[in-house]
Amino acid sequence: AQSVTQLGSHVSVSEGALVLLRCNYSSSVPPYLFWYVQYPNQGLQLLLKYTTGATLVKGINGFEAEFKKSETSFHLTKPSAHMSDAAEYFCAVRMDTGRRALTFGSGTRLQVQP
Amino acid sequence: KAGVTQTPRYLIKTRGQQVTLSCSPISGHRSVSWYQQTPGQGLQFLFEYFSETQRNKGNFPGRFSGRQFSNSRSEMNVSTLELGDSALYLCASSARQGQTPLANTEAFFGQGTRLTVV
Repeated sequence: AQSVTQLGSHVSVSEGALVLLRCNYSSSVPPYLFWYVQYPNQGLQLLLKYTTGATLVKGINGFEAEFKKSETSFHLTKPSAHMSDAAEYFCAVRMDTGRRALTFGSGTRLQVQP
Repeated sequence: KAGVTQTPRYLIKTRGQQVTLSCSPISGHRSVSWYQQTPGQGLQFLFEYFSETQRNKGNFPGRFSGRQFSNSRSEMNVSTLELGDSALYLCASSARQGQTPLANTEAFFGQGTRLTVV
């Protein structure tokens, strides 16, 4: 069964600083990978996804993530944080076999300091 | 294109009661999944419906059930509510072809229904 680990339940950065949110997965085969963002009292919004092809994936709002098979990682980055980036971020995986449901990490709450 | 619509947004129920939540997927999407989000357990998969049939099920007791209608709208029902059922219930729709979900397609989430059991 696949699992997702997000290191750091809370990350705090200054406005304009680099954002780095970590995600590692465990599965026997490379899964499909997703990053979602959740604002307070809202549902989940897709930031980006990795399926096949280019390992560097660009998403909305200036976010990008790099799939590294050798490290089983899919870390999310943004060069310059904005106050509006404050939210909770979830990494998720989905396999092409079996249940095919999304398996989510525990989430990382990003705080952006002025 | 309208997004995923969940109703109601907020619900307060008493322990022992039952509740029904509704989800209308994005037009053209035939797969609907339900997730439970709690501070302690995070986001957990409940079940997925496609073509009015439950295709996948998570590890939840039988008190949790659902159904899907011919127009792809879905409902989930929780009977004999417990305090621990208090959560944000999220519905997601995805594109699907034939009998196989497109695993590499994203799930589009609704805003959720916040259920409080007192």
